[in-house]
Amino acid sequence: AQSVTQLGSHVSVSEGALVLLRCNYSSSVPPYLFWYVQYPNQGLQLLLKYTSAATLVKGINGFEAEFKKSETSFHLTKPSAHMSDAAEYFCAVNPRGGNEKLTFGTGTRLTIIP
Amino acid sequence: KAGVTQTPRYLIKTRGQQVTLSCSPISGHRSVSWYQQTPGQGLQFLFEYFSETQRNKGNFPGRFSGRQFSNSRSEMNVSTLELGDSALYLCASSLVVGDNEQFFGPGTRLTVL
Repeated sequence: AQSVTQLGSHVSVSEGALVLLRCNYSSSVPPYLFWYVQYPNQGLQLLLKYTSAATLVKGINGFEAEFKKSETSFHLTKPSAHMSDAAEYFCAVNPRGGNEKLTFGTGTRLTIIP
Repeated sequence: KAGVTQTPRYLIKTRGQQVTLSCSPISGHRSVSWYQQTPGQGLQFLFEYFSETQRNKGNFPGRFSGRQFSNSRSEMNVSTLELGDSALYLCASSLVVGDNEQFFGPGTRLTVL
């Protein structure tokens, strides 16, 4: 079965500092990988997705993620944090070519320190 | 293009009652998935519908059921509500089953007293 592990349920960074949110996946073959963001009292918004076209994926709001097969990782980064980035972030996996559901990580709450 | 809409946004019920939640997918999207989000269990998959047929089901008791209509709108029903059913229920739509991108609605916040 596919799974993802997000290291760190809470991450705090200063405004303007680098944001790094970690995600590792478990899969026998490279799956589709996603990062979603959830603001309070809202649904999930797709930040970016990996579907094998390129290992470095750029998303919305200045976020990007790099797929590293050797490390089974798909970490999310942003060079300079903004106050508006405060939210909960979820990494998710979907088996390649299958009709199975998204499996989500437990989420990382990002706090931005002014 | 309108996004995924869910109604109602908030709901309060008491134990033992039943509830029906509604989801309208993005126009043209034929697959609808439902997820339950709780602080303790996180985001868990409930079921997925495509062309009025349930194609996938998560590990939830039979009290949780759903259906999809010919216009792709979907409903989920929870019978004999328990306190533990209090959660945010999210609906997501995609073009087809197994599509690699799902679009989420704002969710329905269900509180069971």
